[in-house]
Amino acid sequence: TQLLEQSPQFLSIQEGENLTVYCNSSSVFSSLQWYRQEPGEGPVLLVTVVTGGEVKKLKRLTFQFGDARKDSSLHITAAQPGDTGLYLCAGEGSGGGADGLTFGKGTHLIIQP
Amino acid sequence: DVKVTQSSRYLVKRTGEKVFLECVQDMDHENMFWYRQDPGLGLRLIYFSYDVKMKEKGDIPEGYSVSREKKERFSLILESASTNQTSMYLCASIYSLTGELFFGEGSRLTVL
Repeated sequence: TQLLEQSPQFLSIQEGENLTVYCNSSSVFSSLQWYRQEPGEGPVLLVTVVTGGEVKKLKRLTFQFGDARKDSSLHITAAQPGDTGLYLCAGEGSGGGADGLTFGKGTHLIIQP
Repeated sequence: DVKVTQSSRYLVKRTGEKVFLECVQDMDHENMFWYRQDPGLGLRLIYFSYDVKMKEKGDIPEGYSVSREKKERFSLILESASTNQTSMYLCASIYSLTGELFFGEGSRLTVL
């Protein structure tokens, strides 16, 4: 069974600060996705990283896939209250996404004005 | 706009009752999934389906069954609800070219 460990589980910071969320595994994933979930809603895809060492930017969010494709990070610059939510990483294994993704337990992020 | 729709946002049932959770997607996706989401445990896969009338067990299938009679509809069934099945249930379908999961808004089930 492939496991994804996310850290921290909870993070509460002030508006304007920077933060990094980590997603680690001992297993290799063919790709890794980051989702954001707001209260009362289902998760929504933010980004997919596929290549080891890949870096993708989405406005103030920077996503990185580890060289060995076992870990990933999400860095938010100058966090805003609108960034508040549950951030989930999800890995696609060798069987492809057709049999479901492996999800981390999530990071609850609160950005205080 | 792509959409996954879950029939009930909130349900309250009693122990032993049969529960149906329905999910419909309008994207013609082959694969559909049912997850449950619990604090501290994250999303766990219950069942998935890769075609009409086909189903596969996920990580925690015990106490659940599913039905996929039509491509667009995937139902989760709790034959005899128990209190430990109180949870948020999320349905999803996958766009196979990108691997992106599209989720419904979730069904929060409380079993008393």
